[in-house]
Amino acid sequence: EDKVVQSPLSLVVHEGDTVTLNCSYEVTNFRSLLWYKQEKKAPTFLFMLTSSGIEKKSGRLSSILDKKELSSILNITATQTGDSAIYLCAHGSGNTGKLIFGQGTTLQVKP
Amino acid sequence: GAVVSQHPSRVICKSGTSVKIECRSLDFQATTMFWYRQFPKKSLMLMATSNEGSKATYEQGVEKDKFLINHASLTLSTLTVTSAHPEDSSFYICSARDPAGVGNTQYFGPGTRLTVL
Repeated sequence: EDKVVQSPLSLVVHEGDTVTLNCSYEVTNFRSLLWYKQEKKAPTFLFMLTSSGIEKKSGRLSSILDKKELSSILNITATQTGDSAIYLCAHGSGNTGKLIFGQGTTLQVKP
Repeated sequence: GAVVSQHPSRVICKSGTSVKIECRSLDFQATTMFWYRQFPKKSLMLMATSNEGSKATYEQGVEKDKFLINHASLTLSTLTVTSAHPEDSSFYICSARDPAGVGNTQYFGPGTRLTVL
């Protein structure tokens, strides 16, 4: 059974800090690794990492895929209170399209 | 990005009644939609994959007779929670796969908060 595990489950930092969120996966056939940010309602898409695209960056957020270690990290630099959210990592199956999510990391950024 | 809507956003019902939740893709046709359930401060748990014109595929442990899914058109999937009980209270989120999108691009609806009294 495919599995995605995130750590830490929760994290509290102060504005300006840099955070690293971890995601590891055990899947039978790796296709893609996706990161989402969820505030109050629906998750919003951040990044998709595949074998052909192992590093993505957007502003203060960046993500790297380590296929050897079967893991990915999401980095957020110079955190702001608006970064407070649940960050979800998911493995995407190419055939069915379904996403298997990790438990999520709840990030709280204090002013 | 593409837009997915859900209706209602919030529903409170009595135990034993059935509740229908709609998921619509507003500006694209989605042959595949997914239904998730989320408990407070927890991750999304995939319940089922909804395929237009065919039966839904349910994940292990999800009762198909309890959670009825109908994908009647390329823009609409419905989830009906039958004979709801308090333990069914949860946040239900749908997503739609955009066939024109890259890889596994899925767009999520805003969710429906179900409270069963």
